[in-house]
Amino acid sequence: GNSVTQMEGPVTLSEEAFLTINCTYTATGYPSLFWYVQYPGEGLQLLLKATKADDKGSNKGFEATYRKETTSFHLEKGSVQVSDSAVYFCALKLVGFKTIFGAGTRLFVKA
Amino acid sequence: EAQVTQNPRYLITVTGKKLTVTCSQNMNHEYMSWYRQDPGLGLRQIYYSMNVEVTDKGDVPEGYKVSRKEKRNFPLILESPSPNQTSLYFCASSESVGQGVYEQYFGPGTRLTVT
Repeated sequence: GNSVTQMEGPVTLSEEAFLTINCTYTATGYPSLFWYVQYPGEGLQLLLKATKADDKGSNKGFEATYRKETTSFHLEKGSVQVSDSAVYFCALKLVGFKTIFGAGTRLFVKA
Repeated sequence: EAQVTQNPRYLITVTGKKLTVTCSQNMNHEYMSWYRQDPGLGLRQIYYSMNVEVTDKGDVPEGYKVSRKEKRNFPLILESPSPNQTSLYFCASSESVGQGVYEQYFGPGTRLTVT
């Protein structure tokens, strides 16, 4: 079946450290891939997206590349800030509007 | 301001008492969806709608109903709530921004407790 697997958290980093959050997926066809971020007490916000193989999504210093050969969409940021502390969700969209989310990865950034 | 609104934000109810959570968007989006968020499980899609009068099941539709009589509204109905429906619920709306990419805009969430 279709699924999204994210690395378990929480991830704790010091400010200015490099961030990687792994995401792999299983899907039929050619899904679109997304990263969403959820700050405490809020709904999800789109962080970045990619629609086809080798596309790179980027926003606010975060990047992720759609890797079809490894079915992955890992999230990276070169230098995290305290304000990046949040829960990050990887998601894929199938035909129509069916969407599958990963379990989420909580990130803590210490000053 | 473009937004998705949900009401109520918090609700405590008892088993079997019918309830409705409303969702409204002011962006003229065609697509709307309901999710529930549970610890360790992420978000799971309950129902989605691709247009007025067009709805389809997500991964966890049991125990829920939806309707889409107007483009802007997509209420979630629990006819006979049970404790396992205690969760945080999110409504989202979306439109295509090209090449089949749908950016979803989420509401602030409704925390439901069923005792």
